[in-house]
Amino acid sequence: EVQLVETGGGLVQPGRSLKLSCVASGFTFSSYWMYWIRQAPGKGLEWVSSINTDGGSTYYPDSVKGRFTISRDNAENTVYLQMNSLRSEDTATYYCAKDAGSDWYFDFWGPGTMVTVSS
Amino acid sequence: DVQMTQSPSYLAASPGESVSISCKASKSISNNLAWYQEKPGKANKLLIHSGSTLQSGTPSRFSGSGSGTDFTLTIRSLEFEDFAVYYCQQYNEYPWTFGGGTKLELK
Repeated sequence: EVQLVETGGGLVQPGRSLKLSCVASGFTFSSYWMYWIRQAPGKGLEWVSSINTDGGSTYYPDSVKGRFTISRDNAENTVYLQMNSLRSEDTATYYCAKDAGSDWYFDFWGPGTMVTVSS
Repeated sequence: DVQMTQSPSYLAASPGESVSISCKASKSISNNLAWYQEKPGKANKLLIHSGSTLQSGTPSRFSGSGSGTDFTLTIRSLEFEDFAVYYCQQYNEYPWTFGGGTKLELK
């Protein structure tokens, strides 16, 4: 059974940093792209980052480019999201998701971890 | 960026009824569209990909149609477990974008 469990969320002041983790199980982690997607309170979903199987290629939308960094440790079946220079608009539930393997959609999601950016 | 517009935002229906949700893209995305279901306390669930292909485990009462810019998710003979929020997502080009969601409520 595929499982994705995010940790690391919490309350952080604007301008500070936070690192999220997502531990995966139930599939061959090193064979799949992984993603972070977020949802601000009362809002829709926003794709935040992608990473390829070996971590050599990463992608971000303009809203987080230069501030967020996705990485992975295939030995630990874990994907990370380092978030720097946090802003109030980064307040959201952050979800880890697995690539379906055949195209760029997400076949499994974690339950999410909440990040609140506030002074 | 490709803008994804879902309608309606809210939809009230009763078990046994059929409903349709629209998702329109601001430019052609071929058939590179997925539908997801969001329920409180549960992980988001992939229902349909490639516009109309049911993900393994998705009940056959769900169907997807469309290509280019106009897509539709149809749920026939609603069951209680179907009352949830539904999102479309385009994966034709970066950045991947989602529709604003449709909340399907019990009438």
